[in-house]
Amino acid sequence: AQSVTQLDSQVPVFEEAPVELRCNYSSSVSVYLFWYVQYPNQGLQLLLKYLSGSTLVKGINGFEAEFNKSQTSFHLRKPSVHISDTAEYFCAVSDPIQGGSEKLVFGKGTKLTVNP
Amino acid sequence: ETGVTQSPTHLIKTRGQQVTLRCSSQSGHNTVSWYQQALGQGPQFIFQYYREEENGRGNFPPRFSGLQFPNYSSELNVNALELDDSALYLCASRRDRGTSEQYFGPGTRLTVT
Repeated sequence: AQSVTQLDSQVPVFEEAPVELRCNYSSSVSVYLFWYVQYPNQGLQLLLKYLSGSTLVKGINGFEAEFNKSQTSFHLRKPSVHISDTAEYFCAVSDPIQGGSEKLVFGKGTKLTVNP
Repeated sequence: ETGVTQSPTHLIKTRGQQVTLRCSSQSGHNTVSWYQQALGQGPQFIFQYYREEENGRGNFPPRFSGLQFPNYSSELNVNALELDDSALYLCASRRDRGTSEQYFGPGTRLTVT
C-alpha cells in the first residue's frame, strides 16, 4: 500500500518570500500525485496534479511542483507567497482499488502560515 | 456546473447513536468516495461507490456503511457512534471511477460526546 510523508508539519514564512513544502511517497511504481489545499473550515481544493509527462507541474494560485521519480518526491513550491496562502496543504498519492479505480492516500498535512 | 454539496454542515451526536451524512455529487459524476479527516490528520479513505455499488473500502469497521442512489447522490451511515468517530467527513465525486481527479465537498463536522 502507498504511503505519503510530509516532512514539515508547520512552515512559517514572511509575505513575498519563497516557500517549499516537501512530500515523499513510498512506491516506485507509476503513481498519480496531487497537492490539495484546505482553508479553515472548508473542504479540499485541488492545487495541481501529476499524471504523466513533464515532471514540472503548474497549478493554480502560482504554485508548482516537481515530480522526482528517483527520490520519490513531489515537492510544492511558490516563488512569492501572499497572506491569503495561509492554509493547510496536503500531498496525496493514488492507490489502486477494485474495478480499475483508485483511492487517495494523504499525508498528515503541512500548515503554511504567511506572516506580514 | 454545481459542485459537490454535503449536509448537514455540523452535527453533534451522543456515543452509541446512529448518524446519516449526505452528499450530492457534481453534475455528470457517477463515482463518490467518502473520507474521514480526524483533527490534525490527513483524510482517510472510507469507501467508494460507483453506479450504486460499493467499489472499494478502506480500513473501517462494518458499522460504517453507505448508499448511492440512481441520481449518484450518496449517504454515509455510522452506527454505534464512538468518541473517535468525531471528525470532518468529506465526500468527493469524480466523472467516472477510472478518472483521477476528485472534487471534494466542504465536509460535515461530526462531534460525538
